[in-house]
Amino acid sequence: QKEVEQNSGPLSVPEGAIASLNCTYSDRGSQSFFWYRQYSGKSPELIMFIYSNGDKEDGRFTAQLNKASQYVSLLIRDSQPSDSATYLCAVNLGGNNRLAFGKGNQVVVIP
Amino acid sequence: GAGVSQSPSNKVTEKGKDVELRCDPISGHTALYWYRQSLGQGLEFLIYFQGNSAPDKSGLPSDRFSAERTGGSVSTLTIQRTQQEDSAVYLCASSRQRQLAGGEQFFGPGTRLTVL
Repeated sequence: QKEVEQNSGPLSVPEGAIASLNCTYSDRGSQSFFWYRQYSGKSPELIMFIYSNGDKEDGRFTAQLNKASQYVSLLIRDSQPSDSATYLCAVNLGGNNRLAFGKGNQVVVIP
Repeated sequence: GAGVSQSPSNKVTEKGKDVELRCDPISGHTALYWYRQSLGQGLEFLIYFQGNSAPDKSGLPSDRFSAERTGGSVSTLTIQRTQQEDSAVYLCASSRQRQLAGGEQFFGPGTRLTVL
């Protein structure tokens, strides 16, 4: 099993809808979880981080963490065309100071 | 500077040549990371520097790859005898000390390496 998996293919959502992205991780000792957004041809930028079980909201973004099931998700409410990007899930591996990244999910918001 | 800077932005080289990629982290950030990203792929960890500690080199794909960080600031990633499969975007990131356990990394714009 890969350290961080994002299995969904490209996600197309109409403008104003909710985009939902999921990520699973293998190391049960992981403590910190991050979502990065990467526009085409650009470098990743951090949009959310979460450490505790439950939900964390920041504007139109909500991160959800379930450590027992080893998954973390990202919801984008009221999706806008400017949200069209690839979203990378990253997990701090337990006892390690580096992040493991998933391959990313491409989101396309259709006006 | 305000952010992480990398140079060159683009590098085209011939197979077998050596290349050096430079990263200048955000001032005051003690942690520095190198990744590479191939087309359509996620970020592949290469190496991590934290202060004066020995670097974590566990991600380097072969002994042709090496990196150093001088004076706890600027880092250079060197690829010797480049191969076509080394073609990728090489990203550098920095973060503050371990408080967030490796998180909130700020990325530079990357160096696009093309090996002909």
